[in-house]
Amino acid sequence: QVQLVQSGAEVKRPGASVKVSCKASGYRFSDYYIHWVRQAPGQGLECMGWINPKSGRTTYAQNFQDWVTMSGDTSISTAYLELNRLKFDDAAIYYCARVGPAGITLDSWGQGTRVTVSS
Amino acid sequence: QSALTQPASVSGSPGQSITISCAGTSSDIGRYNYVSWYQQHSGRAPKVIIYDVYDRPSGVSDRFSGSKSGNTASLTISGLQTEDEADYYCGSYASSSTWLFGGGTKVTVL
Repeated sequence: QVQLVQSGAEVKRPGASVKVSCKASGYRFSDYYIHWVRQAPGQGLECMGWINPKSGRTTYAQNFQDWVTMSGDTSISTAYLELNRLKFDDAAIYYCARVGPAGITLDSWGQGTRVTVSS
Repeated sequence: QSALTQPASVSGSPGQSITISCAGTSSDIGRYNYVSWYQQHSGRAPKVIIYDVYDRPSGVSDRFSGSKSGNTASLTISGLQTEDEADYYCGSYASSSTWLFGGGTKVTVL
């Protein structure tokens, strides 16, 4: 079955960078887009952008395009989200999710990676 | 583009039906039939329960149904059960560079 398994929780200082991974299994990784979604504490979902694993082409939402980098490695079926110049406000749970074959929707989600920003 | 607009909370008694609205614009919900609904239980990842406005993924209860009228989409939960207590988010494709989510609706089973 389709599974997305994310890396573990991170604690970082303000100004630091962090790289979150999302390993896919149960399907051909290069065939479907991977989205990244942020959920701040007690808040709703926010689309950060996505990557086409086959081409490596990325699309970033306006709020994230200056400090986020998405990438992928098809040889190990893994997508990455790098957050740069972290601020206290960037503390959140970050999810990866797949756009599957059935429709324009996020049909499988990772378990989420909690990023804490603390001095 | 702004997030989609949902009521903050909706409640109902077991067995009742409730409806959650999701208001967008003519550029997103009004333009595309690509509205999804996600259910998120506390401490868990979201899970899609409706996609492409009306369709249910395999394994999702038929007590969940979706609809759309103009720029507003709706999720109806029939025969409300205690296990339906969760946060619900609508989402819509809005362009080749934009996907939008609603702010979320907390469903409480009284």
